[in-house]
Amino acid sequence: GENVEQHPSTLSVQEGDSAVIKCTYSDSASNYFPWYKQELGKRPQLIIDIRSNVGEKKDQRIAVTLNKTAKHFSLHITETQPEDSAVYFCAASMGSARQLTFGSGTQLTVLP
Amino acid sequence: SAVISQKPSRDICQRGTSLTIQCQVDSQVTMMFWYRQQPGQSLTLIATANQGSEATYESGFVIDKFPISRPNLTFSTLTVSNMSPEDSSIYLCSVVGDRVSGNTIYFGEGSWLTVV
Repeated sequence: GENVEQHPSTLSVQEGDSAVIKCTYSDSASNYFPWYKQELGKRPQLIIDIRSNVGEKKDQRIAVTLNKTAKHFSLHITETQPEDSAVYFCAASMGSARQLTFGSGTQLTVLP
Repeated sequence: SAVISQKPSRDICQRGTSLTIQCQVDSQVTMMFWYRQQPGQSLTLIATANQGSEATYESGFVIDKFPISRPNLTFSTLTVSNMSPEDSSIYLCSVVGDRVSGNTIYFGEGSWLTVV
């Protein structure tokens, strides 16, 4: 089955700096890659996603890049703010079934 | 986007008892899933809830421990049977939205279970 690895497990940045979280996946058939933000005591919330026919997608301060050849994708957050502090999960799925395999999560802390 | 209601939102359960979690969606959806998130961990897929047939379980999860029902396209239940402290987790219902939403995957609010 699919295996998703996520790095780093913890990340601290100064407010205003950029944060990058990286994930690799094992199954080349995976074609959908969402990123979720989970604040303490809350459910995961989708923040951005990318499909395999696209190399990059941007939404305001958040961007995701996908390298299908290398089987890795990354989340980029620019101009970080304290409210960006949360656990971020990457995930991958294949086909139309949409079962997600999640990475292990990254605890992002933005220091004021 | 799909609106997903989960009940209960939280519960404290006695060891050896069973608890049923309900997931109600505001629209008909083809795909429904149940995930577990143990404390401080990532999310793990338990099973796919299939309408009108038995659920499809992932490796490490069995029907006797996690029976699932899916009587129609808007509702599903997950039962956690004979609970032990290791079952203390967040249980999340998930659905796939329609084509208009880009087949986005949505999560319910989650059911926080603590087994004592």
